[in-house]
Amino acid sequence: QQQVKQSPQSLIVQKGGISIINCAYENTAFDYFPWYQQFPGKGPALLIAIRPDVSEKKEGRFTISFNKSAKQFSLHIMDSQPGDSATYFCAASRVAAGNKLTFGGGTRVLVKP
Amino acid sequence: DAGVIQSPRHEVTEMGQEVTLRCKPISGHNSLFWYRQTMMRGLELLIYFNNNVPIDDSGMPEDRFSAKMPNASFSTLKIQPSEPRDSAVYFCASSLRGDTEAFFGQGTRLTVV
Repeated sequence: QQQVKQSPQSLIVQKGGISIINCAYENTAFDYFPWYQQFPGKGPALLIAIRPDVSEKKEGRFTISFNKSAKQFSLHIMDSQPGDSATYFCAASRVAAGNKLTFGGGTRVLVKP
Repeated sequence: DAGVIQSPRHEVTEMGQEVTLRCKPISGHNSLFWYRQTMMRGLELLIYFNNNVPIDDSGMPEDRFSAKMPNASFSTLKIQPSEPRDSAVYFCASSLRGDTEAFFGQGTRLTVV
């Protein structure tokens, strides 16, 4: 059973535009929600993460919005750049249980110059 | 620190052969994870170690898969016998227990022919 659903599967955005990726989770015990960025041939790398006690977190051009009641969270990439072209994964975990990550299916983002 | 180191980077083997994947976690990290990435199933957790002890192996697909962590600086994932459906990219990740960020290695791309 897929516990974290991610959409869209792929996204094309013009340079300078906004990329928006959405995720929904089922397990209300999750208390840590990271986004990972993966380039071809590389392992995933943590981009930004949020805990459910806040509704938004911003780091540079990357923002997570979190809606606890809807069990949804999203990643916004502002002023998208060609270097942002990568696959993005949302994930969820329960920190006290060892922080084992349950990943969404991934979104392939292509930023056109 | 060089990060999480995995070897080999690529492995091609024939069906029925034994395959051993290796991982060196970041020094000082006490949690280690093995993940598998495929197009069909995405990123899925296979097994989680804490302080060298396997805590959760519910993601290990079959008895053909086994993992060990003989000390804090080394772990192996073994497949015996290997099958074509085991073809995937296998990632090792490590973190500090109680910390949230998991650091991934570059992965081992396994092809079973």
